[in-house]
Amino acid sequence: DVKVTQSSRYLVKRTGEKVFLECVQDMDHENMFWYRQDPGLGLRLIYFSYDVKMKEKGDIPEGYSVSREKKERFSLILESASTNQTSMYLCASRRQGAKNIQYFGAGTRLSVL
Amino acid sequence: GQQLNQSPQSMFIQEGEDVSMNCTSSSIFNTWLWYKQDPGEGPVLLIALYKAGELTSNGRLTAQFGITRKDSFLNISASIPSDVGIYFCAGVLPGTASKLTFGTGTRLQVTL
Repeated sequence: DVKVTQSSRYLVKRTGEKVFLECVQDMDHENMFWYRQDPGLGLRLIYFSYDVKMKEKGDIPEGYSVSREKKERFSLILESASTNQTSMYLCASRRQGAKNIQYFGAGTRLSVL
Repeated sequence: GQQLNQSPQSMFIQEGEDVSMNCTSSSIFNTWLWYKQDPGEGPVLLIALYKAGELTSNGRLTAQFGITRKDSFLNISASIPSDVGIYFCAGVLPGTASKLTFGTGTRLQVTL
């Protein structure tokens, strides 16, 4: 089974803090994704990565950056957290060419106070 | 970005009833996926559809890829309490490789 692990289930941070959300997958998948999930809005793509050291902006990249130094790990960075970044963050991975199926982690619920 | 219209937003049904939900768009998709999210967990894939008109089942779940390629339907037969959760459709637009566009979700609650 594919396993996508997000390092924290819950995080509470203060406005202005730098926040790192970590995601690790154990299936040697090339593609990795970060989404945020808000009530009534579904999942929205923040950033994705086709492979190591590659990154592309999704639909809502403002206020976020990412890092993919190793194939199994994809980090989401909030340079200066703001209250409107309070949300559920979901990481996903996909094998290149595997019929568009993405596998998700359990999510990190981030609260910015 | 592109959004999928998913309906209904929520459903409150009795155990044993059949459930139907759908996703529609003004754009053509070349893949439709249906995911379920349990409370406090990430989405889990239920069914994947790749051809217009395709009808695929997974146990009590049946999904169809609309013939116009602009919609998809998910049916759950004889619902049980563990069907509770949020169901998401997701589609892939032509030429967008691995990017998924998600619907806003249907929250299903089942009573005994």
